Amino acid sequence: DVKVTQSSRYLVKRTGEKVFLECVQDMDHENMFWYRQDPGLGLRLIYFSYDVKMKEKGDIPEGYSVSREKKERFSLILESASTNQTSMYLCASRTNPGATNEKLFFGSGTQLSVL
Amino acid sequence: AQSVTQLDSQVPVFEEAPVELRCNYSSSVSVYLFWYVQYPNQGLQLLLKYLSGSTLVKGINGFEAEFNKSQTSFHLRKPSVHISDTAEYFCAVTRTDSWGKLQFGAGTQVVVTP
Repeated sequence: DVKVTQSSRYLVKRTGEKVFLECVQDMDHENMFWYRQDPGLGLRLIYFSYDVKMKEKGDIPEGYSVSREKKERFSLILESASTNQTSMYLCASRTNPGATNEKLFFGSGTQLSVL
Repeated sequence: AQSVTQLDSQVPVFEEAPVELRCNYSSSVSVYLFWYVQYPNQGLQLLLKYLSGSTLVKGINGFEAEFNKSQTSFHLRKPSVHISDTAEYFCAVTRTDSWGKLQFGAGTQVVVTP
């Protein structure tokens, strides 16, 4: 079964710190995504990547950047963390185009608290 | 752009009773539709999806949903719920030409009581 692994389940950081959230998938998927989940707002797309070194902004990219140096790893970077970035962050990867059972696989999430 | 509205933020239901979770979407282009479930302290899990074909879609754990293009709805149903169905449920939509960039609804919390 596909595994999408997020390196930390809980993180506590201070305002102004640079924060790295890591995500690794083991199925050679081309497409990977970062969402944030907030109560009453559902999930919102921050950034996605459709290949190594390729990225595209989602709906709420402000304050975030991403890195995709290797196919299996997609990192979300908060350049200078702020309290309004306290949230649950979910990584996902998607089956490659043309797959018989197209599906999005989610990691278990990283709960980030910025103090 | 597409959007998703889940009409109920919380649905209390008794065990073995039926449940319906409502989802409406708007889009100017063709879309795919999904329902995801998130159990407490767990990641999102796909319940079912509509890509094409039959408008009645059956998913895991006894859930089903019906795609209604004229009403732009994709309501989720289960005829008899269990305590273990207590979870948050998310409806999501994506354009057929940008698969994966899902727009999620705000979620519906289902609380099943004995």
